[in-house]
Amino acid sequence: DAGVTQTPRHEVAEKGQTIILKCEPVSGHNDLFWYRQTKIQGLELLSYFRSKSLMEDGGAFKDRFKAEMLNSSFSTLKIQPTEPKDSAVYLCASSFAGSYEQYFGPGTRLTVL
Amino acid sequence: AQSVTQPDARVTVSEGASLQLRCKYSYSATPYLFWYVQYPRQGLQLLLKYYSGDPVVQGVNSFEAEFSKSNSSFHLQKASVHWSDSAVYFCALSPNMGYKLTFGTGTSLLVDP
Repeated sequence: DAGVTQTPRHEVAEKGQTIILKCEPVSGHNDLFWYRQTKIQGLELLSYFRSKSLMEDGGAFKDRFKAEMLNSSFSTLKIQPTEPKDSAVYLCASSFAGSYEQYFGPGTRLTVL
Repeated sequence: AQSVTQPDARVTVSEGASLQLRCKYSYSATPYLFWYVQYPRQGLQLLLKYYSGDPVVQGVNSFEAEFSKSNSSFHLQKASVHWSDSAVYFCALSPNMGYKLTFGTGTSLLVDP
């Protein structure tokens, strides 16, 4: 079985640009999570979907961050407009509904200049 | 609200030595507790989990963790480390199974060969 796939692996953006990160969860998983990882803040939840429905929208990240699940096997995270403080690794994870084990993708490293 | 504290940002040990990585949690009841490992340029992988029963739980690669309700702790241990154990280790909790995880800030482990 393929694990969680994330593209691109690296992204460099200018301040003010719009970027879209992509995630394909493990086939059959119902839950999908987007996290932001930085050295200072650690792992922060951005969005959480169950069966394509948005369950949590990450509070402080609402303004410029928008996650969507177009179908059960594809999700996007849009950041618009980007700011230098958005530089981080963005991780996508999926799991079966009710399962404790989240499967993580390798992440997308975003650098905003 | 819940939180996880990993007091040691970096730990260095010699190959073959024993290891303990510390984790303290704050939650009003007994949560579900996890240890994840992140190897360079990879996503997180589950090492072990605890949600009830024997307070000592076994995980992959000979890791184990001990839950202490009185100390609100869930420390990770290994009797003899290998250079390939060098990675970042995250402690996490969930108030319910199948919902979002709250992560600690991680402990970077370096094993000197």
